[in-house]
Amino acid sequence: DVKVTQSSRYLVKRTGEKVFLECVQDMDHENMFWYRQDPGLGLRLIYFSYDVKMKEKGDIPEGYSVSREKKERFSLILESASTNQTSMYLCASRRPGTNYGYTFGSGTRLTVV
Amino acid sequence: KQEVTQIPAALSVPEGENLVLNCSFTDSAIYNLQWFRQDPGKGLTSLLLIQSSQREQTSGRLNASLDKSSGRSTLYIAASQPGDSATYLCAVRGGSRLTFGEGTQLTVNP
Repeated sequence: DVKVTQSSRYLVKRTGEKVFLECVQDMDHENMFWYRQDPGLGLRLIYFSYDVKMKEKGDIPEGYSVSREKKERFSLILESASTNQTSMYLCASRRPGTNYGYTFGSGTRLTVV
Repeated sequence: KQEVTQIPAALSVPEGENLVLNCSFTDSAIYNLQWFRQDPGKGLTSLLLIQSSQREQTSGRLNASLDKSSGRSTLYIAASQPGDSATYLCAVRGGSRLTFGEGTQLTVNP
């Protein structure tokens, strides 16, 4: 089975800190995604990547950046954390093409104080 | 823009009941539809993936159907158990996007 691993389950950071959320998948998937999930707003796409060194903005990229230096790793970066970035962050991966579904990680609950 | 609606938002049933969760979507030009389960504070676990050319998929006590032309999918859970208590999300893939519904929060009472 494909495994998507998010390095931290819970994180507490201070306002203004630079925060790195890491995601690693073990099945050689080209496509990787970062979502955030908030009550009443559902899951929203932040950034995605079709392959190494590639990145595309999702629906809510403001305040975030990403890095994809290796195929298996997709990092989400909060350049200067703010309290409105307190959320559950979910990473996902999938094979390219229309026949494949998404595999999600276990999530990182980030609290910015 | 694709919109996905799940009804009901919450459902409470006694153990052993068969139940149906509903998902509707506005744009029928989809590649596939995926049902997920989410436990409180956890990530999403994929339950079933239905391609746009398929009518249904089954896994154990779960059966998902898809009627693309009418923009509807159902998730049928047979003989429900307390361990089935979770939030169930449907997600529709079209183009480069996966669009999620808000979910149905299911509680199965022993």
